[in-house]
Amino acid sequence: DGGITQSPKYLFRKEGQNVTLSCEQNLNHDAMYWYRQDPGQGLRLIYYSQIVNDFQKGDIAEGYSVSREKKESFPLTVTSAQKNPTAFYLCASRTGTANTEAFFGQGTRLTVV
Amino acid sequence: QKEVEQDPGPLSVPEGAIVSLNCTYSNSAFQYFMWYRQYSRKGPELLMYTYSSGNKEDGRFTAQVDKSSKYISLFIRDSQPSDSATYLCAMSGAAGRRALTFGSGTRLQVQP
Repeated sequence: DGGITQSPKYLFRKEGQNVTLSCEQNLNHDAMYWYRQDPGQGLRLIYYSQIVNDFQKGDIAEGYSVSREKKESFPLTVTSAQKNPTAFYLCASRTGTANTEAFFGQGTRLTVV
Repeated sequence: QKEVEQDPGPLSVPEGAIVSLNCTYSNSAFQYFMWYRQYSRKGPELLMYTYSSGNKEDGRFTAQVDKSSKYISLFIRDSQPSDSATYLCAMSGAAGRRALTFGSGTRLQVQP
């Protein structure tokens, strides 16, 4: 079945650590996105990539980094520079044209301990 | 001011009620309008998709878009406890717009 797989489902990070969230899709979509979701704030765009080896900052990119070495994969690294990383992270993909919906993974819940 | 405004709720209704969920937006370039449903601790799933102004019906769900008022609605008829979730509106403009713009979501509770 085609879809988007995020792992792990739950992740715990110690202060000062970098952690990487995985996102893989087999939908053959060109565009991939990372969103952060906090209670009452909806989805905020962190980074997006419209093609392999290219990506752009979203609205809240500070403290995050990404790579897009393969079409299927778009991992997100939460660095120690992100001061409030506890949140629900969602990865999405779409074909890349404006008139298509985005498909989402099941999310990763990151908690700082 | 946010590009897309959505009342966060929570909205609590009895089973069988008609539910009305709404979003307003400020960017007149938006042409594609979507509603996503998100259960707790899950990823959003697409519920309805409409292009430009008009109505679209799918079973118990009806989506309406009024571009002149920059206002979109989702109606749920005969609401069920399984409809309890957060509903997110999302919209997209013409080619070149980088990503969907989401509302903050409305939490709906349907009481049995």
